[in-house]
Amino acid sequence: EAQVTQNPRYLITVTGKKLTVTCSQNMNHEYMSWYRQDPGLGLRQIYYSMNVEVTDKGDVPEGYKVSRKEKRNFPLILESPSPNQTSLYFCASRKTGPVGPQHFGDGTRLSIL
Amino acid sequence: AQKVTQAQTEISVVEKEDVTLDCVYETRDTTYYLFWYKQPPSGELVFLIRRNSFDEQNEISGRYSWNFQKSTSSFNFTITASQVVDSAVYFCALSEEKGAQKLVFGQGTRLTINP
Repeated sequence: EAQVTQNPRYLITVTGKKLTVTCSQNMNHEYMSWYRQDPGLGLRQIYYSMNVEVTDKGDVPEGYKVSRKEKRNFPLILESPSPNQTSLYFCASRKTGPVGPQHFGDGTRLSIL
Repeated sequence: AQKVTQAQTEISVVEKEDVTLDCVYETRDTTYYLFWYKQPPSGELVFLIRRNSFDEQNEISGRYSWNFQKSTSSFNFTITASQVVDSAVYFCALSEEKGAQKLVFGQGTRLTINP
């Protein structure tokens, strides 16, 4: 089954404790992206990757890091999480070429205390 | 810069009513793509439709229909004979051809269908 898998689905942690949210897709998509969803703001792009070793900032990259060492994986790293990063996070992927729909993971709800 | 506005924050209707969700967009690109996604209470994002800027034909899929009007930069979504299972947050989104790495979302409209 074609899917984007995120882990963990839920996480409660404390300020300053490094965490990583994993994202993996099995569709051989070149493009992957991370979004955060906040009430009244919709989804905002954090980082995206056009292919392996190619990443770039989205609209809200501050406080986040990403890496793309393999085509299928695109982890989101919070080196020193803060309460304002409490949010619902989505990973997505799609093929390159004509802009098609992005396939989203089920989301990761992060609470930073 | 691209922008999507969904002015209706929340809509509440009674089952079987028709409801239209508004989406207005801004872009300088002549080639762009518009999307609608549904987010049910379980939280996942479900793709509903993609429309490119060269195709202004309206589309109907069962009880769902979409009205794309370039003249007013709108891409509205209508649910006919609404059902309780249609209750969700609906997002409109835009991606420009030139900036294809970015998908910009509207704020979302929370639709509640009451029995």
